[in-house]
Amino acid sequence: DGGITQSPKYLFRKEGQNVTLSCEQNLNHDAMYWYRQDPGQGLRLIYYSQIVNDFQKGDIAEGYSVSREKKESFPLTVTSAQKNPTAFYLCASTQGGLGGYTFGSGTRLTVV
Amino acid sequence: ILNVEQSPQSLHVQEGDSTNFTCSFPSSNFYALHWYRWETAKSPEALFVMTLNGDEKKKGRISATLNTKEGYSYLYIKGSQPEDSATYLCAFSSLSGGGADGLTFGKGTHLIIQP
Repeated sequence: DGGITQSPKYLFRKEGQNVTLSCEQNLNHDAMYWYRQDPGQGLRLIYYSQIVNDFQKGDIAEGYSVSREKKESFPLTVTSAQKNPTAFYLCASTQGGLGGYTFGSGTRLTVV
Repeated sequence: ILNVEQSPQSLHVQEGDSTNFTCSFPSSNFYALHWYRWETAKSPEALFVMTLNGDEKKKGRISATLNTKEGYSYLYIKGSQPEDSATYLCAFSSLSGGGADGLTFGKGTHLIIQP
């Protein structure tokens, strides 16, 4: 079955360390997205990529970086510059236009 | 930054009752309005993508309406069942992005169906 795989489900890191969250899709979707969820907040867009080797900042890109070297993969690096990295991170993809988004099951990152 | 509001924030409904909740969004630069159902420990699941003013969509006991001129959408659930318990998210897609520059989400309505 086609879908989005995010790994790991839970991640713990020490403050000051960079960490990379994985997102892989086998839906042949062109566009991929990273969202962040904090308690009491809606999902907020971090970065998105509409095509391989190209990506754009979303609303809260500071302290994050991404790459899109393959259509299937869109990893997110949470850098030490991100002031409040503890959150739930959700990856999504879409073919674009009027298609719905398909979501992964998320990664909960805790920085101690 | 766009503002998408959902109300109520949470809702307790008796099994068998019908319910509805609201999403309000900017009426300008509108491309599409999405509804998702998000059950605990699962991925958000697409319910509807709505584009035309006056649009009504239905999936089983769940239906949605859209008013793009005034910037609101209603989601209705008829005869609520325990499996309807979830957070329902609406999300706005802008015309300038053509549907591919990301969605702006509301905070969701957390629905609990009580047996």
